[in-house]
Amino acid sequence: AQKVTQAQTEISVVEKEDVTLDCVYETRDTTYYLFWYKQPPSGELVFLIRRNSFDEQNEISGRYSWNFQKSTSSFNFTITASQVVDSAVYFCALSEAKRYSTLTFGKGTMLLVSP
Amino acid sequence: DAGVTQSPTHLIKTRGQQVTLRCSPKSGHDTVSWYQQALGQGPQFIFQYYEEEERQRGNFPDRFSGHQFPNYSSELNVNALLLGDSALYLCASSSTTSGNTIYFGEGSWLTVV
Repeated sequence: AQKVTQAQTEISVVEKEDVTLDCVYETRDTTYYLFWYKQPPSGELVFLIRRNSFDEQNEISGRYSWNFQKSTSSFNFTITASQVVDSAVYFCALSEAKRYSTLTFGKGTMLLVSP
Repeated sequence: DAGVTQSPTHLIKTRGQQVTLRCSPKSGHDTVSWYQQALGQGPQFIFQYYEEEERQRGNFPDRFSGHQFPNYSSELNVNALLLGDSALYLCASSSTTSGNTIYFGEGSWLTVV
């Protein structure tokens, strides 16, 4: 069975601080996908990134960066120079690499960025 | 390019009633999945439809049923509503031919009183 653990329930930072959201996963599959989604108060899950299990390169997109380490089954997300607009709930998710794949989500980390 | 759209946005139902939620997938997507998100929790997979058939189902009772139409849009039906069915219901779409990225709609907030 697949499992995603986001141990941080809530993180509070002050604007311009860097913040890292942790994600640890469990799967028996050798090939899988990892995702991060952002959920603002409106409810929509906004796609941020998808990472294949065979691609361990870290990725940077603007102020966002992701550190994938297969050896520790972790897929951490860092926001550099956080902004108030980053305040949201962030979900890490895992899916099998097959045709009819579904997502297994963690419980989410609420990020509060204050001015 | 329209994303995933859902309706209604909010609704209130009484215990025992039935509800139908609707979803139009992102343009070019052929697979629709439904998730239930209780307050303070991550979304839980309900079921998935492709080619008008249910392909996978999560751990939800038969009171939860769905349908996919030829234009790939989908409905989620919940019968005999319980208070515990109060949640955000999210529709997700993806394409079987262009990768496994899954996109979500804004959800339907269901309150059962």
